[in-house]
Amino acid sequence: GNSVTQMEGPVTLSEEAFLTINCTYTATGYPSLFWYVQYPGEGLQLLLKATKADDKGSNKGFEATYRKETTSFHLEKGSVQVSDSAVYFCALSDQEGFNKFYFGSGTKLNVKP
Amino acid sequence: EPEVTQTPSHQVTQMGQEVILRCVPISNHLYFYWYRQILGQKVEFLVSFYNNEISEKSEIFDDQFSVERPDGSNFTLKIRSTKLEDSAMYFCASSEGTVQETQYFGPGTRLLVL
Repeated sequence: GNSVTQMEGPVTLSEEAFLTINCTYTATGYPSLFWYVQYPGEGLQLLLKATKADDKGSNKGFEATYRKETTSFHLEKGSVQVSDSAVYFCALSDQEGFNKFYFGSGTKLNVKP
Repeated sequence: EPEVTQTPSHQVTQMGQEVILRCVPISNHLYFYWYRQILGQKVEFLVSFYNNEISEKSEIFDDQFSVERPDGSNFTLKIRSTKLEDSAMYFCASSEGTVQETQYFGPGTRLLVL
């Protein structure tokens, strides 16, 4: 079946530190992969996506590469800011049906000044 | 920028009561979804809706749940007789299409069943 596993949080970093949030997946088909971010009190906002192997999604300094061989889609940012503090969700979309999404459990990131 | 909106933001209800959660999807989107997140757990798919009918539903989406698009803008989730375990954050989402399409999520409704 389809599932997403992402690293447990919370992750606490100092400003300008390097960020990696690990995400691995299992899928029966060939999914698209997404990272969503949830700021306090707000909904899920798309951060980036990748639709095929070796694609790199990027936005706001965040990057993630679709690695089919390792079934991974790790989120990285070279220098985090306090404003990046949020919960990050990795997700895959089921290409066999009506685009049902499967989410990871979310990783809370705290960035300290 | 167009966005998905949801009302209310919070709802408290007594066990056994009916609740209706409302969503206004992005206007040119054709596919609509409900997800829920029980505190501390994953965001889970409930149901997808297209062309005025359910296209897919999960095991969670039993006879107590129903969805409706009563007019050209609203998309509602009804829980007929709420249970304690229905307490969760409920997210509405919409997308233009299905294949490789991004889903756009609303801010959620936090439902508390007492």
